[in-house]
Amino acid sequence: EIVLTQSPGTLSLSPGERATLSCRASQSVPRSYLAWYQQKPGQAPRLLIYGASSRATGIPDRFSGSGSGTDFTLTLSRLEPEDFAVYYCQQYDRAPWTFGQGTKVEIK
Amino acid sequence: QVQLVESGGDLVKPGGSLRLSCAASGFTVSDYYMSWIRQAPGKGLEWVSYITGSDSKIYYADSVKGRFTVSRDNSKNSLYLQINSLRAEDTAVYYCARSTLGLDIWGQGTMVTVSS
Repeated sequence: EIVLTQSPGTLSLSPGERATLSCRASQSVPRSYLAWYQQKPGQAPRLLIYGASSRATGIPDRFSGSGSGTDFTLTLSRLEPEDFAVYYCQQYDRAPWTFGQGTKVEIK
Repeated sequence: QVQLVESGGDLVKPGGSLRLSCAASGFTVSDYYMSWIRQAPGKGLEWVSYITGSDSKIYYADSVKGRFTVSRDNSKNSLYLQINSLRAEDTAVYYCARSTLGLDIWGQGTMVTVSS
């Protein structure tokens, strides 16, 4: 099983600041089948990034993904008020698919 | 409109069973991998299972193997999750999701509570 570890657990930032979220895999994700999701309270998760770096339909370009192998990053270039939420990474390269434990981006 | 709607969640006693449903509209479930994901109250996301499209291969998380069964009814364009021998730790919101490149379409979730 590929274990995904996200850091930090919580990120306290102000609107307009840059957010950098990390997702580290316990073993290589060989095809970079790594996705990022955003979840707000009481809502289902929303797909942001797939294939490590491709934005899903309708996702603003302030969201970007990068990385390969075991290290992946989600960057929010300039936080908007609606971006404060919990973010999860997920690998769908090899069963069992797995999620990271999440990073909460909160308003400072 | 592409949409998933889950139903069937309930309050169940430990050891009981439940069948969750996920009705799709706007696309054909048998053309895609379809997944179940759950989220315990205040916790993160846990992938539970998926069923592939054309060849209907099924994979389960180790935590549910032997108790959960995924199935699909193409005539109803729906996905199902049969949950047996329910435990307190199965208490969660259960989501179904379409899998293309990532989980791109999610339902609103259905709540399963296991308590005596």
